[in-house]
Amino acid sequence: DVKVTQSSRYLVKRTGEKVFLECVQDMDHENMFWYRQDPGLGLRLIYFSYDVKMKEKGDIPEGYSVSREKKERFSLILESASTNQTSMYLCASSLLDRAEQYFGPGTRLTVT
Amino acid sequence: RKEVEQDPGPFNVPEGATVAFNCTYSNSASQSFFWYRQDCRKEPKLLMSVYSSGNEDGRFTAQLNRASQYISLLIRDSKLSDSATYLCVAASGGSYIPTFGRGTSLIVHP
Repeated sequence: DVKVTQSSRYLVKRTGEKVFLECVQDMDHENMFWYRQDPGLGLRLIYFSYDVKMKEKGDIPEGYSVSREKKERFSLILESASTNQTSMYLCASSLLDRAEQYFGPGTRLTVT
Repeated sequence: RKEVEQDPGPFNVPEGATVAFNCTYSNSASQSFFWYRQDCRKEPKLLMSVYSSGNEDGRFTAQLNRASQYISLLIRDSKLSDSATYLCVAASGGSYIPTFGRGTSLIVHP
């Protein structure tokens, strides 16, 4: 079974703090994704990566950056957290040429 | 980006009922289709892929209508445990970036 893990289930940060969200997958998947999910808005793609050190912007990259130094690990960084970044953050992975994604359990981030 | 549209519901059905969800996709180049299930405050999980000829997995049947650009999910003999949000997903040929619908909420009551 594919396993995708995320570093925290719940996180509370203050406005202006730098926030790191970590995601690790153990199935040697090439593609990794970061989404946020908000009520009524569905899943929105923030960034994705199809290889180590490669990254592509998704639909809502503003205020976020990512890092992929190893194939199994994809980090999402909020340089200066703001209250409108309070959300559920979901990491996913997939094989290079497949669209089926496997999700981590999510991190519920609250920025106060 | 191209859209995937779903009725948000909620669909409220009694145990044992048959319920069907439809979803439409706007990108005619879409080649891969899926249904995901998402429980409250949990991550989406792949329920089933949708094949051109239609496919069945136990009580669940998925169908694709390319001409009208919609896919459907039929759940027979609904269980309380089927209560969840069902996400419709489409991906264009050669793209590994799927487009997710916003989900349809199903509530199965005793």
